[in-house]
Amino acid sequence: DTAVSQTPKYLVTQMGNDKSIKCEQNLGHDTMYWYKQDSKKFLKIMFSYNNKELIINETVPNRFSPKSPDKAHLNLHINSLELGDSAVYFCASSQENRGTGNTIYFGEGSWLTVV
Amino acid sequence: QQQVKQSPQSLIVQKGGISIINCAYENTAFDYFPWYQQFPGKGPALLIAIRPDVSEKKEGRFTISFNKSAKQFSLHIMDSQPGDSATYFCAATRSGTYKYIFGTGTRLKVLA
Repeated sequence: DTAVSQTPKYLVTQMGNDKSIKCEQNLGHDTMYWYKQDSKKFLKIMFSYNNKELIINETVPNRFSPKSPDKAHLNLHINSLELGDSAVYFCASSQENRGTGNTIYFGEGSWLTVV
Repeated sequence: QQQVKQSPQSLIVQKGGISIINCAYENTAFDYFPWYQQFPGKGPALLIAIRPDVSEKKEGRFTISFNKSAKQFSLHIMDSQPGDSATYFCAATRSGTYKYIFGTGTRLKVLA
């Protein structure tokens, strides 16, 4: 009963391919995110959806397209993969709480290697 | 304005020692400051968090010290254990924005 689950965990693919990473959360949260973590461990937000509406769209190549079919799911599709896309992609979710703050819960990550 | 500067980049501590990681922010609108712990092969997980209306928060061996006037906050790990070896991220966010600004991470290694 993992709170934020993403698949696949590992993905090795060739340049130019199109791939998708799926994410589901069972926490009942309104907001979901995609973060990218590079080889230096920097965590950078890519997208955020609140109640299926896109609310954050950082400077990300338009080869990356998020899709949120419902509040519990946020998928990431990547077209024409490039070597520089190799990274760990984390899905996350949160629920704004005035008392405790907006705690983000991360999935275990999807390791993408483009060769 | 949106940066969170974290130091040191890496830290080696003997078992039983105190680990201290520092962060500094610029945006005074931030009102929630969490620390995340990430083990190899895993996602970051919330460790402890603080709001700017208090100067210190303690949970077990982990303490956040917060200095609002200096716009700095730090994580202290008392009696550090080898199991604490991980990467630690500070972060800052403003309520309602859904946008976290993460520090660059500190790789902590606690020697047995």
